[in-house]
Amino acid sequence: EAQVTQNPRYLITVTGKKLTVTCSQNMNHEYMSWYRQDPGLGLRQIYYSMNVEVTDKGDVPEGYKVSRKEKRNFPLILESPSPNQTSLYFCASSLGSFGQETQYFGPGTRLLVL
Amino acid sequence: AQSVTQLDSQVPVFEEAPVELRCNYSSSVSVYLFWYVQYPNQGLQLLLKYLSGSTLVKGINGFEAEFNKSQTSFHLRKPSVHISDTAEYFCAVSEGTGGFKTIFGAGTRLFVKA
Repeated sequence: EAQVTQNPRYLITVTGKKLTVTCSQNMNHEYMSWYRQDPGLGLRQIYYSMNVEVTDKGDVPEGYKVSRKEKRNFPLILESPSPNQTSLYFCASSLGSFGQETQYFGPGTRLLVL
Repeated sequence: AQSVTQLDSQVPVFEEAPVELRCNYSSSVSVYLFWYVQYPNQGLQLLLKYLSGSTLVKGINGFEAEFNKSQTSFHLRKPSVHISDTAEYFCAVSEGTGGFKTIFGAGTRLFVKA
């Protein structure tokens, strides 16, 4: 089954404790992206990647890191989480990096930073 | 710069009634327009998209949307809703090629009552 998977689905952590949220897709998609969803704000892009070893900042990259060492994986790293990073996070992928592509979303990771 | 405004944060409607979810966008260039749906505790999935051509776009589950360039709108409609349509709906716009950015609206929560 074609899908985007994220782990963990739920995470409670404390301020300053490094964490990684994994994202993997099995559709051989070139483009991958991370979003955060906050009430009243919709989805905001954190980082995106057009292909292996090619990443760039989205609208809200502060406090986050990403890497794309393999085509299928795009982990999101919070080196020193803070309470304002409490949010619902979505990973998405698409076949290409063009504006008309449909994005396929993972199920989301709900993060609470205390 | 692109922006997307979803004019209603919540839309309650009775089952079998028609519904319209409104979306306006601003952009200085040609855009691609999307509607995504998010069912409870799930990721987003594509309902429909406008790339070019006919301004009336049909999507899954009986939804359709009309692109109006002069009014910069892309409203979503369904002639008769079901309880199962209860979800959050996101309008999105993207432009360009090569590392495109998608801007999402804040979302409209559709609540279908029996």
